[in-house]
Amino acid sequence: GAGVSQTPSNKVTEKGKYVELRCDPISGHTALYWYRQSLGQGPEFLIYFQGTGAADDSGLPNDRFFAVRPEGSVSTLKIQRTERGDSAVYLCASSFQGTTGELFFGEGSRLTVL
Amino acid sequence: EDQVTQSPEALRLQEGESSSLNCSYTVSGLRGLFWYRQDPGKGPEFLFTLYSAGEEKEKERLKATLTKKESFLHITAPKPEDSATYLCAVQDSGSARQLTFGSGTQLTVLP
Repeated sequence: GAGVSQTPSNKVTEKGKYVELRCDPISGHTALYWYRQSLGQGPEFLIYFQGTGAADDSGLPNDRFFAVRPEGSVSTLKIQRTERGDSAVYLCASSFQGTTGELFFGEGSRLTVL
Repeated sequence: EDQVTQSPEALRLQEGESSSLNCSYTVSGLRGLFWYRQDPGKGPEFLFTLYSAGEEKEKERLKATLTKKESFLHITAPKPEDSATYLCAVQDSGSARQLTFGSGTQLTVLP
């Protein structure tokens, strides 16, 4: 399809484990964003990439969270030593150049930490 | 710190019963205000961008308006397929490209 693709759609893990979430943006979109959404809340900004570089990582909650986009396309969000409070839906979005707030979101990866 | 407050949290309407959703915001400088629609289990879907007070945008049964302190999403003669959560977000002129979202209004339109 032509939309933003996220895998896995669901991930259940145990406290303390390492998790990777993948995002494949719309082809040609240079801007990529990660947001986190808890139940009943709006999405919360985590990090923004323009090309390969993280232009704004001010939303990452602590140093257990890290994201990469090595070739300027696919991005991976990495969470170390997961905690129960990390349970949420992790949303990825992309946009053509990052100059507007018109974002195209994927369906999200639901993370459950037991 | 940017803040977005949406009301009501939930709204139930009969099909054809028009209403409005409210989004109050606080930003140091507004680059843009955005409305998104989110269906259960899906990511948000972009609806509108508003840039300055007095601006209005329309799409089918939806019309978004903006003042210096709030935005309204007016729904005229809604249909059951309009049922969704409607999210409002702001982009601060000083904070790169991130959006600050409200918690949303969950709209249910009954047939």
